[in-house]
Amino acid sequence: QIQLVQSGAEVKEPGASVKVSCKASGYTFTNDAVHWVRLAPGQRLEWMGWIFAGSGGTQYSQKFQGRVTITRDTSTTTAHMELGGLRSEDTALYFCARGTGIGLQNWGQGTLVTVSS
Amino acid sequence: EIVLTQSPGTLSLSPGERATLSCRASQIVYSNNLAWYQQKPGQAPRLLICGTSSRATGIPDRFSGSGSGTDFTLTISRLEPEDFAVYYCHQFGNLPQTFGQGTKLEIK
Repeated sequence: QIQLVQSGAEVKEPGASVKVSCKASGYTFTNDAVHWVRLAPGQRLEWMGWIFAGSGGTQYSQKFQGRVTITRDTSTTTAHMELGGLRSEDTALYFCARGTGIGLQNWGQGTLVTVSS
Repeated sequence: EIVLTQSPGTLSLSPGERATLSCRASQIVYSNNLAWYQQKPGQAPRLLICGTSSRATGIPDRFSGSGSGTDFTLTISRLEPEDFAVYYCHQFGNLPQTFGQGTKLEIK
């Protein structure tokens, strides 16, 4: 079955960077996109960007432009999301999700990133 | 960016009743690029409806979606106990992709 398994929780200090991984299995990785979405306390789901796993092409939300980098490794069918310049407002549950053009069909379990000094 | 506004914020109903959830967009959502998700505490969202009105794989037929332009609706015909959760709409036709703030469906 299709699975997206994310890396574990992280605690970071303000100003640091965090890199979250998302291991995909059960489908042809290079046929689809991997999106990153976060849910901060008291906020709505927020789309950060996506990568098309085949070409490696990316698009980012302007809100995160310059701070976020999404990459993929086709040999390990893993996508990564790195967010830099962390601040307390970046404390959130980060999800990866498989996008197929009709919506976000499969989701990872989420990775809690806490930004605190 | 397209702002999605869901209503009501909270909906209190009993099992067996019909639920109607609304999602209004600040601009036209083209090409049926509108989806609905269900999220339960501690879980990732689950895709229910794609392309405005198509049920995702494995989704029971009590869930249906409709709408066009700027007004979209998710209907649950007869609520089951496992349907009480938070529901989000999502537009992916324009960048940045955006989500509604969610409707919490709670047991009355």
